[in-house]
Amino acid sequence: AQTVTQSQPEMSVQEAETVTLSCTYDTSESDYYLFWYKQPPSRQMILVIRQEAYKQQNATENRFSVNFQKAAKSFSLKISDSQLGDAAMYFCASPLISNFGNEKLTFGTGTRLTIIP
Amino acid sequence: KAGVTQTPRYLIKTRGQQVTLSCSPISGHRSVSWYQQTPGQGLQFLFEYFSETQRNKGNFPGRFSGRQFSNSRSEMNVSTLELGDSALYLCASSPGQGADTGELFFGEGSRLTVL
Repeated sequence: AQTVTQSQPEMSVQEAETVTLSCTYDTSESDYYLFWYKQPPSRQMILVIRQEAYKQQNATENRFSVNFQKAAKSFSLKISDSQLGDAAMYFCASPLISNFGNEKLTFGTGTRLTIIP
Repeated sequence: KAGVTQTPRYLIKTRGQQVTLSCSPISGHRSVSWYQQTPGQGLQFLFEYFSETQRNKGNFPGRFSGRQFSNSRSEMNVSTLELGDSALYLCASSPGQGADTGELFFGEGSRLTVL
């Protein structure tokens, strides 16, 4: 079955330090985007960063960057200089094909990130 | 540009009742997807609508249904509620075509509690 796997249910990091969240996926698509979403305690999911599978260069958005290994189907998120506001649930997402034969964005089970002051 | 709006934000129902949740997508977005979020199961895909047609469906029983109107607003309905339907229901919109990257834009969700 096609899946998105986040193997770290919880992570914690000292403020100002760096943390890496892991994600593996298993899509049969040939050209696709991968996403990391953040869900703070207020609940609204917001996009953190996205990566196009055809691009060799890893995406970067300020303190957030990814390590994309296409052959290994691995897509980890690195947060540098962690801040208290980074505390949230982080979800990795990949397009997978549903039983309808259409693409749907499928999410991992999430990693709860705690920032230690 | 207004974001995705979901109503109601919170609701409490009893077993056996039915519920209707509403979602207004970002202006210009024609695709609306629904997800159920629970602590144990994470985000589970319910269905997607595009131009008033169900384009995709997850593995949920027939008690879960939805529809989309000509203005792209969408509703989902859950009939004969069960305790296990207690969850946060998230709506997300996207352009649905053209340069759509697959990125979803989420609403704040509707928190359903079934007693």
